[in-house]
Amino acid sequence: DVKVTQSSRYLVKRTGEKVFLECVQDMDHENMFWYRQDPGLGLRLIYFSYDVKMKEKGDIPEGYSVSREKKERFSLILESASTNQTSMYLCASSLMASQETQYFGPGTRLLVL
Amino acid sequence: ILNVEQSPQSLHVQEGDSTNFTCSFPSSNFYALHWYRWETAKSPEALFVMTLNGDEKKKGRISATLNTKEGYSYLYIKGSQPEDSATYLCAFSYNNNDMRFGAGTRLTVKP
Repeated sequence: DVKVTQSSRYLVKRTGEKVFLECVQDMDHENMFWYRQDPGLGLRLIYFSYDVKMKEKGDIPEGYSVSREKKERFSLILESASTNQTSMYLCASSLMASQETQYFGPGTRLLVL
Repeated sequence: ILNVEQSPQSLHVQEGDSTNFTCSFPSSNFYALHWYRWETAKSPEALFVMTLNGDEKKKGRISATLNTKEGYSYLYIKGSQPEDSATYLCAFSYNNNDMRFGAGTRLTVKP
């Protein structure tokens, strides 16, 4: 079974802090994604990556950056957390892009005070 | 902007009822349509991927249909059970790289 793990289920940070959200997948997938989910909205893509050291902006990249130094690990970085970044963050991975199923992690619920 | 609309936003049914909900997407540049089930405190799980107009997929009591010409997909649940309670997400792929998710339909099945 594909397993996607995220470093924290719940996280509380203060405005201005630098926040790292880690995601690891164990199925040698090329593609990895970071989404945020807010009430009443669909999953919105922040960043994705098709290969090591490669990244592409999604629909809402402002205020975020990412890092993919190893194939299995994709990190989301909030350089200076703000209250409007309070959200549920989901990581996903897939073999190819849009025709293949994405496998999701359990999510990190981030609260920025 | 490519919008994926799901309706209804939420649905409450009694155990044993059959139900269905809709995903609407742009009918141009279709590549694939995905359905996911997201139970509370768990990861979203894939139900179906459909790529051809007229596709019908079935998994147990859950089935889905696809109409790419008019841009909609239906998800059906026959004889709903409390364990079917979840948010059902659809996602529309419009090229080999990009996918857009709808906001989901939140289903609650009362025993």
